[in-house]
Amino acid sequence: DVKVTQSSRYLVKRTGEKVFLECVQDMDHENMFWYRQDPGLGLRLIYFSYDVKMKEKGDIPEGYSVSREKKERFSLILESASTNQTSMYLCASTSPSYEQYFGPGTRLTVT
Amino acid sequence: SQKIEQNSEALNIQEGKTATLTCNYTNYSPAYLQWYRQDPGRGPVFLLLIRENEKEKRKERLKVTFDTTLKQSLFHITASQPADSATYLCALTMDSSYKLIFGSGTRLLVRP
Repeated sequence: DVKVTQSSRYLVKRTGEKVFLECVQDMDHENMFWYRQDPGLGLRLIYFSYDVKMKEKGDIPEGYSVSREKKERFSLILESASTNQTSMYLCASTSPSYEQYFGPGTRLTVT
Repeated sequence: SQKIEQNSEALNIQEGKTATLTCNYTNYSPAYLQWYRQDPGRGPVFLLLIRENEKEKRKERLKVTFDTTLKQSLFHITASQPADSATYLCALTMDSSYKLIFGSGTRLLVRP
């Protein structure tokens, strides 16, 4: 079974803090993704990576950066957290046959 | 503009009936269309993928159809059970890209 894990299920941070969300997959997938999910807005792509050290912006990259130093690990960084970044963050990796496997999600609250 | 539309109203059906969910899209030419299930507070789980040259795909009680002329996919759950209650998301993949574009999902409630 493919397993995608995320570092925290729940996180509370203060405005202005630097926040790291980590994601690890165990299936040697090349492609990894970070989404945020908000009520009424669905899943929106923040960043994705198709190889180590490679990244591409998604639809809403502003205020975020990413890091992929190893194939199995993809990190999302909020440089200076703001209240409008309160959301559910979901990481996923994609198999060669295009199915995406998601982690359990991190519910981030910025106060 | 490009859009993926799923019925935002919840679908409420009796156990044992067939649930049919709809996904319509405009101004896309997807190579693949996928369906995912999402339970509250959890990540989506992959269910089925159908290619643009396939009309229908089945997996156990699930069936997906894909009509590229109508730009529509239908997702059916036969002999529905209360455990099928969840939100179902459709997602499009373009060409050889691994990026998915998600609809906002339809909530299904199966009454015992």
